[in-house]
Amino acid sequence: AQSVTQLGSHVSVSEGALVLLRCNYSSSVPPYLFWYVQYPNQGLQLLLKYTTGATLVKGINGFEAEFKKSETSFHLTKPSAHMSDAAEYFCAVTFTGTASKLTFGTGTRLQVTL
Amino acid sequence: EADIYQTPRYLVIGTGKKITLECSQTMGHDKMYWYQQDPGMELHLIHYSYGVNSTEKGDLSSESTVSRIRTEHFPLTLESARPSHTSQYLCASSETGTGSYEQYFGPGTRLTVT
Repeated sequence: AQSVTQLGSHVSVSEGALVLLRCNYSSSVPPYLFWYVQYPNQGLQLLLKYTTGATLVKGINGFEAEFKKSETSFHLTKPSAHMSDAAEYFCAVTFTGTASKLTFGTGTRLQVTL
Repeated sequence: EADIYQTPRYLVIGTGKKITLECSQTMGHDKMYWYQQDPGMELHLIHYSYGVNSTEKGDLSSESTVSRIRTEHFPLTLESARPSHTSQYLCASSETGTGSYEQYFGPGTRLTVT
């Protein structure tokens, strides 16, 4: 069965510092991977996705993630955190033949301090 | 731009009442989903639909029911609300055949049962 593990339920960074949110998946077939962001009292917004092709994917708001098959990882990074990045971030995975059902990680709350 | 709507956004209701949470999308997507999300917690799939007249239960058991009579509409009903149903409910949709597998989310309904 597919699964996603997000290491660190809370991450705190200073404004301007590097953001690194970790996501590992388990799968026996090629995955499709997603990062979503959720602001308070809102739904989820897609940040970026990996389906096929280039393993380094760029998303909105300056975020990017790299698919590393050998490490079964899809970590999310941003070179310089902004206060507006404070939110909950979810990693998700799906595979072909699953009716596009996503399996979500438990989420990481990003706090950005001055 | 994804267009998926949920009403009401917030609902406080007494135990035993029947409620329907509305979800509509204007994108013509064939697949739709309902997730339950407790505060600070991961999302759990409770229902999904492949298309009109198709509904399936998700990974998390739920006392709610859904219907899909029209492509754009996927309401969720609780016949008799209980405090244990207090949660946030998120609706999503996706499109078959694009190969992207991404889901578009509505803003959510925060339900409180007193």
